[in-house]
Amino acid sequence: GESVGLHLPTLSVQEGDNSIINCAYSNSASDYFIWYKQESGKGPQFIIDIRSNMDKRQGQRVTVLLNKTVKHLSLQIAATQPGDSAVYFCAEKVTGANNLFFGTGTRLTVIP
Amino acid sequence: EAGVVQSPRYKIIEKKQPVAFWCNPISGHNTLYWYLQNLGQGPELLIRYENEEAVDDSQLPKDRFSAERLKGVDSTLKIQPAELGDSAVYLCASSQGTAEAFFGQGTRLTVV
Repeated sequence: GESVGLHLPTLSVQEGDNSIINCAYSNSASDYFIWYKQESGKGPQFIIDIRSNMDKRQGQRVTVLLNKTVKHLSLQIAATQPGDSAVYFCAEKVTGANNLFFGTGTRLTVIP
Repeated sequence: EAGVVQSPRYKIIEKKQPVAFWCNPISGHNTLYWYLQNLGQGPELLIRYENEEAVDDSQLPKDRFSAERLKGVDSTLKIQPAELGDSAVYLCASSQGTAEAFFGQGTRLTVV
């Protein structure tokens, strides 16, 4: 299957700082990307998505950036809060194939 | 609106015993996924259904795993016989068309 990986397995930030979580993907045919947040004992929760015809998309306190040239995407969390502590996964999909592939994940810890 | 519902939440069985997991997807979602998630790793796709058809089961260990989605709604995933290495969280997700997938809370299986 496709390879979706993250550069940093763990990230610690101070409350109120901005967080940046990175993800690399290998399938150049992937055209839809999703960031999920997973808290302990829960299933992954959708945060934000982006299609390949865009390079930036913003949500509430979150921004996803997509660089198709280097097959890289990032999740930026503004004013990180303790409730943001979780494992974050990027996932990719090829429209039509419809299979969703996940990377390993980054554990974000917010220090109060 | 109810999310993806999975049961049971936890299951402990002895090796060589059978086990089954149940998933009720979000109403109207035609795509249903079963994922396996080992501790500290991202979810790995086992099987994907489009309505009642298993369109991708290439990652499903068919010697011991089976799944069904008879009426294109609820789905069950079965393992028979279970092995120690099957201990993991089994996640079910559903989506509508090419949109994002929503996950249930998962079933944590422990094989002793």
